[in-house]
Amino acid sequence: KNEVEQSPQNLTAQEGEFITINCSYSVGISALHWLQQHPGGGIVSLFMLSSGKKKHGRLIATINIQEKHSSLHITASHPRDSAVYICAVRKMQGGSEKLVFGKGTKLTVNP
Amino acid sequence: NAGVMQNPRHLVRRRGQEARLRCSPMKGHSHVYWYRQLPEEGLKFMVYLQKENIIDESGMPKERFSAEFPKEGPSILRIQQVVRGDSAAYFCASSPSGGDTEAFFGQGTRLTVV
Repeated sequence: KNEVEQSPQNLTAQEGEFITINCSYSVGISALHWLQQHPGGGIVSLFMLSSGKKKHGRLIATINIQEKHSSLHITASHPRDSAVYICAVRKMQGGSEKLVFGKGTKLTVNP
Repeated sequence: NAGVMQNPRHLVRRRGQEARLRCSPMKGHSHVYWYRQLPEEGLKFMVYLQKENIIDESGMPKERFSAEFPKEGPSILRIQQVVRGDSAAYFCASSPSGGDTEAFFGQGTRLTVV
């Protein structure tokens, strides 16, 4: 079983819809990241969370440490939001740290 | 303040050649991470470096792969005697320090082995 699981794997929405992407993890973490990757493009960090909730524009990220679960919400979705959204947890291990990634959720927003 | 710069963006190598991927971290960042994204797979950690030190290379293949982050200049990921299975996108990220600081990613280098 992967240490980081995302759902759904693929998501298609109509412009204006409210989007939720979920991430569950099974290891102890110090922080959780939400990343965005456009096709053939680089990776953009959207949020880094260790507790609670963060908001940036139309994006909202929440994390529940006890339940080991995080959600990324997009309000009033737009075709330009079409991308792969990746959840990654920062795992501290033996004095080092590394990011462990989910497989990503491919979001397509149709006009 | 330029972001994390990776070059080249695209690299084509024949089987058996060497591939050198460069990563210049953001100004003031002394921690560099390399990740690999195989086609249709998620990102995987490869190596974590600080200036002149390899902190964690547990994700690096045991053979043909090496990484360095010298006192001066960019971090280099080197792949010797490339094989088709090395074809992937290689991403670098940097952060100002370890721990819970945000890491910033580069645009990636897409390596194709023919």
